[in-house]
Amino acid sequence: DADVTQTPRNRITKTGKRIMLECSQTKGHDRMYWYRQDPGLGLRLIYYSFDVKDINKGEISDGYSVSRQAQAKFSLSLESAIPNQTALYFCATSDSWDGLEQYFGPGTRLTVT
Amino acid sequence: KNQVEQSPQSLIILEGKNCTLQCNYTVSPFSNLRWYKQDTGRGPVSLTIMTFSENTKSNGRYTATLDADTKQSSLHITASQLSDSASYICVVISSNDYKLSFGAGTTVTVRA
Repeated sequence: DADVTQTPRNRITKTGKRIMLECSQTKGHDRMYWYRQDPGLGLRLIYYSFDVKDINKGEISDGYSVSRQAQAKFSLSLESAIPNQTALYFCATSDSWDGLEQYFGPGTRLTVT
Repeated sequence: KNQVEQSPQSLIILEGKNCTLQCNYTVSPFSNLRWYKQDTGRGPVSLTIMTFSENTKSNGRYTATLDADTKQSSLHITASQLSDSASYICVVISSNDYKLSFGAGTTVTVRA
């Protein structure tokens, strides 16, 4: 969905490096989410934000941090990347009351060597 | 612990044939369920939503059913097309804490 963009789309980095994944949206939604997707597993929530001043941990937040710079921007950082953080990362937005209708970005494929 | 189980994990069908994907959930109390389609290399896109009171809902060639008593949902694809090749993800939300639970998905491959 072009309304939700992620950069970079692909990234290879080394163990111990700091890396930031960025997400921007033009949908005007207050709710933004970061997920990771691994083969054979469902999407798992890392962090979510209901507005600029509201940041919440998801089920797998260890090793990650986020920043909500504006309503339209939500960044995910890996302070010291490790190989088991190799995954496909998705950003999503929502304006539904229960957050069930989500609009996903195209994903960032991250490889940590 | 995954509260949403999808089956089969993958399937291959011939173009023009029908198929049915299953989603069993233990999320309780149940609120809503949504099916997403994820094309390779892209983010998931919503197909349809099922609420507690709905049994069947269609979106073109996609028909979703819900049995809230047995906690099962299915997604039926009619007259499959090559463009239906994708992963189909079942997502359930609890009315207790509004947390989303994602299934691992069923990968459908449609062959000519």
